Amino acid sequence: KAGVTQTPRYLIKTRGQQVTLSCSPISGHRSVSWYQQTPGQGLQFLFEYFSETQRNKGNFPGRFSGRQFSNSRSEMNVSTLELGDSALYLCASSQYSGSSYEQYFGPGTRLTVT
Amino acid sequence: SQQGEEDPQALSIQEGENATMNCSYKTSINNLQWYRQNSGRGLVHLILIRSNEREKHSGRLRVTLDTSKKSSSLLITASRAADTASYFCATGSYTGNQFYFGTGTSLTVIP
Repeated sequence: KAGVTQTPRYLIKTRGQQVTLSCSPISGHRSVSWYQQTPGQGLQFLFEYFSETQRNKGNFPGRFSGRQFSNSRSEMNVSTLELGDSALYLCASSQYSGSSYEQYFGPGTRLTVT
Repeated sequence: SQQGEEDPQALSIQEGENATMNCSYKTSINNLQWYRQNSGRGLVHLILIRSNEREKHSGRLRVTLDTSKKSSSLLITASRAADTASYFCATGSYTGNQFYFGTGTSLTVIP
């Protein structure tokens, strides 16, 4: 099976702009989660989508939003970018296996806000 | 915060030695997963251990879980230079597919 893919891999944006990141999960996985990774805060959970519905949400401002399509592909949007949004954004797709979820991560999108 | 903590923050060993890193967490968990990350890339899933399990093996990896102490350890035996990476634990809750990551251990294996 193909792994989790994320596009674009690298992105440079200016403060105040908005950005959309895309994630294609492993075939058959219906859950997609998004994480932000920064040197200072580490890996932080943004939100999770399952069957086109946001099922879990982390502690991020409303500027961060997402959606999931019927084919399980997901997009994440950040509006009014701030310098502190510079980070590696990781997408993970999950399958439920024996009472637990196993997450598989994509390579990430490196966002730089100038 | 529900975020876990890994210990040590950084570890440097010679090739062939064993590497042990620990993870502590705060809340009850459904499972705990270990990941490896090479220099700013995506995370690679290493092993999942469920809350009713005490030990799991996968190749050169051995993971233990002590839910009474809210801690887990990852042992890499006979380390190789290619094991150089950051290692993270992530705890999974009972309330859904939401994971909390630890702060990571940076492992350097010297050839």
